[in-house]
Order: sequence, then structure tokens, then C-alpha cells
Amino acid sequence: EVQLVESGGGLVQPGRSLKLSCAASGFTFSNYYMAWVRQAPKKGLEWVATISTSGSRTYYPDSVKGRFTISRDNAKSSLYLQMNSLKSEDTATYYCARQVMPTGWFAYWGQGTLVTVSS
Amino acid sequence: EIVLTQSPTTMAASPGEKVTITCRASSSVSYMHWFQQKSGTSPKPWIYDTSKLASGVPDRFSGSGSGTSYSLTISSMEAEDAATYYCLQRSSYPPTWTFGGGTKLELK
Repeated sequence: EVQLVESGGGLVQPGRSLKLSCAASGFTFSNYYMAWVRQAPKKGLEWVATISTSGSRTYYPDSVKGRFTISRDNAKSSLYLQMNSLKSEDTATYYCARQVMPTGWFAYWGQGTLVTVSS
Repeated sequence: EIVLTQSPTTMAASPGEKVTITCRASSSVSYMHWFQQKSGTSPKPWIYDTSKLASGVPDRFSGSGSGTSYSLTISSMEAEDAATYYCLQRSSYPPTWTFGGGTKLELK
């Protein structure tokens, strides 16, 4: 059974940093593109980052480019999201997701971890 | 970047009623994906590659469309179908992914 378990969320002050983790199991992690998707309270879904199978290619929307970094450790079947210079608008539940290329279908999702950016 | 516009934003349907949710793209695309989300839970993959049902999705659901207009249809509304539905599309290069704004479907 595919499982994605996020951790690392919490309350953080504006301008500070936070690193999220996603532990994957039930599939060969190194074979799949992985992504982070977020959802602000009472709002819709927003794609945040995607990383290729080897980690050599990463993609971001303009809203987080230069502030967020996605990475992976295939030996540990783990995905990460380093978030720097956090803003109040980054407050959201962050989901880890497994993608199916080439269309990038988000076939599996974790339960999410809440990040609150507030002073 | 492709913009996806869903309609309606909210709607209510009675048990047994046919429901259609539309997703319009700002430029022509070759497929659409759909997700279902219930309050307080993670989104669930629902329909992929325009018309393929994800595992466990009841066959009263269907997807169709081409070009700039795609739809998710429920042939006969059931109480468990009340949820928010999102469409998803990828832009070619560099790869970026865009969700529609969501359609909240309620039971009447």
C-alpha cells in the first residue's frame, strides 16, 4: 500500500524558515516524480514544487521560486521542502504527492501538514 | 501558463439528479484530471486523462471533453458525492501545474 506521511509543520514567524519532510513507503520511491501541493485555509489547491526521479530537475511556480527548495533522498525514500523567507500567505496545509508523468497526475496524496506563518 | 476556470463555483443537487461540472482552459489542452476533496481530508484522485476513473470511483462518474472545455458528470447524484471537485492541467515547458478554483457540490 502506498503511503505518504508528511511532517515538520508548525507555527513559524514571518521571514523565518521551515523544512517539511515526507516519508514514502509501499512503492519504489526512486521511480517517481514527487511534488508538494498546498491549500490555504478555506481556499483551493496550489501546486508548489515538483522534483524528477533523480532530483536533477526541479520546478516551481513563481509564487515560491527562489524561496522554496524541493529535494529528495532516494536511499531514505524521503521528500523534503525547504521553505525560506516565509510569508503569511504561505500559511496552508502542505501535501506530499506522487506524480505520474508525463501529465503529472497526482496519483497519491499524503494527509498533509499544517504550516502557519504568523508573528 | 494555462488558466483553468471551473463552473459553477457552487451548486446543489438532489438525490438522483444528473450533475455536470465544467472546467474551461485558457488555451487548448489535450487532457484534464479531476480530484475530489471532502472537508478536512486530503484530495483524492478521481478522474485522470480526461475520462479514466481512478481506483474505487463509482461508475456513475464520467469525464469528457476536448480542446478548451472539459466536464465531470455524475449520472445520478448520491449523498456521498457531496464534495469539492478540482480540475488540473499541466503546462508544457517548463512544467507547471494549475488547478481550477474548485466546484463545491452540495446535497439538496
